[in-house]
Amino acid sequence: DSGVTQTPKHLITATGQRVTLRCSPRSGDLSVYWYQQSLDQGLQFLIQYYNGEERAKGNILERFSAQQFPDLHSELNLSSLELGDSALYFCASSVDVYREQYFGPGTRLTVT
Amino acid sequence: GNSVTQMEGPVTLSEEAFLTINCTYTATGYPSLFWYVQYPGEGLQLLLKATKADDKGSNKGFEATYRKETTSFHLEKGSVQVSDSAVYFCALNTGNQFYFGTGTSLTVIP
Repeated sequence: DSGVTQTPKHLITATGQRVTLRCSPRSGDLSVYWYQQSLDQGLQFLIQYYNGEERAKGNILERFSAQQFPDLHSELNLSSLELGDSALYFCASSVDVYREQYFGPGTRLTVT
Repeated sequence: GNSVTQMEGPVTLSEEAFLTINCTYTATGYPSLFWYVQYPGEGLQLLLKATKADDKGSNKGFEATYRKETTSFHLEKGSVQVSDSAVYFCALNTGNQFYFGTGTSLTVIP
């Protein structure tokens, strides 16, 4: 158990809908990262937050947004969902931007 | 730019065989290097790390040495077990961003 929690574990929704994925980092970790993992694209970095502020952006679509709250938990919002958004979404956290990341168990999103 | 290149898989080995998974990187400055492992249906787990040149990371029989002269961080294990079957990711951290390789799938057969 890495100490990073993600909810929900599974999510099934229809095209065009909007969903919110939640992540709680390890106690004491200030940095949160979001990744998308699909079979054909591998592990794609989406976005990073550090102590509430956006720090780095990767291949995140405009339909996706995220934030980190004062209690350091983070949410990833996915809207106007398409079939191609079906994937595993991982959250990771680290103490600071120089240290190793610890990954959560992931949320499996299925868009039908 | 910064990047990580790891050997293509899948790799299939017999139990007790020697394992090498190659990883090379391109980065400015002095990045930290990591190997992560992902077992089926799970998230990535940190396997080992090295933070400076010539450091050797080790864990669970796996080893990797940070070679700045060859910009490499190859993962090795002397005798693999069926339970080592997983996907292995090489990664680097420049301090500004993490970069992951594409992953190498390993299957160990009895």
